[in-house]
Amino acid sequence: DVKVTQSSRYLVKRTGEKVFLECVQDMDHENMFWYRQDPGLGLRLIYFSYDVKMKEKGDIPEGYSVSREKKERFSLILESASTNQTSMYLCASTPGTGGFSASGYTFGSGTRLTVV
Amino acid sequence: SQKIEQNSEALNIQEGKTATLTCNYTNYSPAYLQWYRQDPGRGPVFLLLIRENEKEKRKERLKVTFDTTLKQSLFHITASQPADSATYLCAYGNNRLAFGKGNQVVVIP
Repeated sequence: DVKVTQSSRYLVKRTGEKVFLECVQDMDHENMFWYRQDPGLGLRLIYFSYDVKMKEKGDIPEGYSVSREKKERFSLILESASTNQTSMYLCASTPGTGGFSASGYTFGSGTRLTVV
Repeated sequence: SQKIEQNSEALNIQEGKTATLTCNYTNYSPAYLQWYRQDPGRGPVFLLLIRENEKEKRKERLKVTFDTTLKQSLFHITASQPADSATYLCAYGNNRLAFGKGNQVVVIP
């Protein structure tokens, strides 16, 4: 069964810390995405990548960066965590060129990050 | 700006009935619409994709329609079961998906 694995289910960090959220997929997918999900706001795209070493800003990239050194791994970095970054973070992947696939996205189980 | 809207109110429905959810979009003409299911504390799971030239798509007890004139997609769960209780999300986009906020369905035994 295809899988997207996020390294932590729950994480508590202090304001100002540098935070790494890891995502690994075992499906050889070209495209990977980071979303955050908040009550009343839905899923919002932070960053995405269509290929190794490639990254594109989504709708809310401020305060975040990403790294994709290997095809299977896409990391989200919070440079200096703030309380307004408390959220559920979801990683997704999909095959195909340029981000589209008729088979949809495969999501990880999410990381619930609390910044105190 | 592009917008995709789903009814924010939860849909409570009796077991065995058909649940119908609506997804409306504005300022955009997507070539595809996708539907996902999300359970509490979990990531969304892909259910169906419908293309703009397809009026209807079915998968088991699920049916999706796509009306490009009304700029609307309807999602039906027939013969609903308590296990269908979840939040259902619609999404569009060719190379990066934008999601609606989701519509919760509660199937009452």
